[in-house]
Amino acid sequence: QVQLQESGPGLVKPSETLSLTCTVSGDSISSAYYWGWIRQPPGKGLEWLGTIYHSGSTYYNPSLKSRLTISVDTSESQFSLRLSSVTAADTALYYCARRAVRYYFDYWGQGTLVTVSS
Amino acid sequence: QSALTQPPSASGSPGQSVTISCTGTSSDVGGYNYVSWYQQHPGKAPKLIIFDVTKRPSGVPDRFSGSLSGNTASLTVSGLQAEDEADYYCSSYAGSNNLVFGGGTKLTVL
Repeated sequence: QVQLQESGPGLVKPSETLSLTCTVSGDSISSAYYWGWIRQPPGKGLEWLGTIYHSGSTYYNPSLKSRLTISVDTSESQFSLRLSSVTAADTALYYCARRAVRYYFDYWGQGTLVTVSS
Repeated sequence: QSALTQPPSASGSPGQSVTISCTGTSSDVGGYNYVSWYQQHPGKAPKLIIFDVTKRPSGVPDRFSGSLSGNTASLTVSGLQAEDEADYYCSSYAGSNNLVFGGGTKLTVL
């Protein structure tokens, strides 16, 4: 059974960088799947942030591309997200998920809440 | 890229059918057969219920079905059950390895 687990600080100050890691188990992060980040502000809908392949190829939401970096560490079966210059609008539940070749997310982490506040 | 358009709410009585729409453009929903649907219960992560417009993952009841017409995809839930009460989100490939979600629809079972 594929499992994903997000980890990282739950509180980030405005203008700082939000960093999260997703640990994958039950599947090789070097398999034919892609790995992605999705967020959900409290009481709102889902927003795709970006996707990475084990080769390191990345694909970002154009609206966040200037602030977002996604990386992968195949030796640790982890992939990570860094979002710079955060504001209160970046407060959300952040999910990591496995993405199939045909653009759907079939396994999701439980999500981690990140609050941006001083 | 703009979010796909879903009605904020939908409802139906147990046993009835309800259809939720997801409207995009020819650059996303209408341009590819890569629409997926997710069910999200309160406090839970989204769960994939439809992919490739019409396909169901193993374990998803056949009461859930998907379709596509032009730039609008639809999710139909037949034989509504109490446990179907949840938020539903559509998603579509939008070209250049981009993805876009809909705003979500809250389904209430009356």
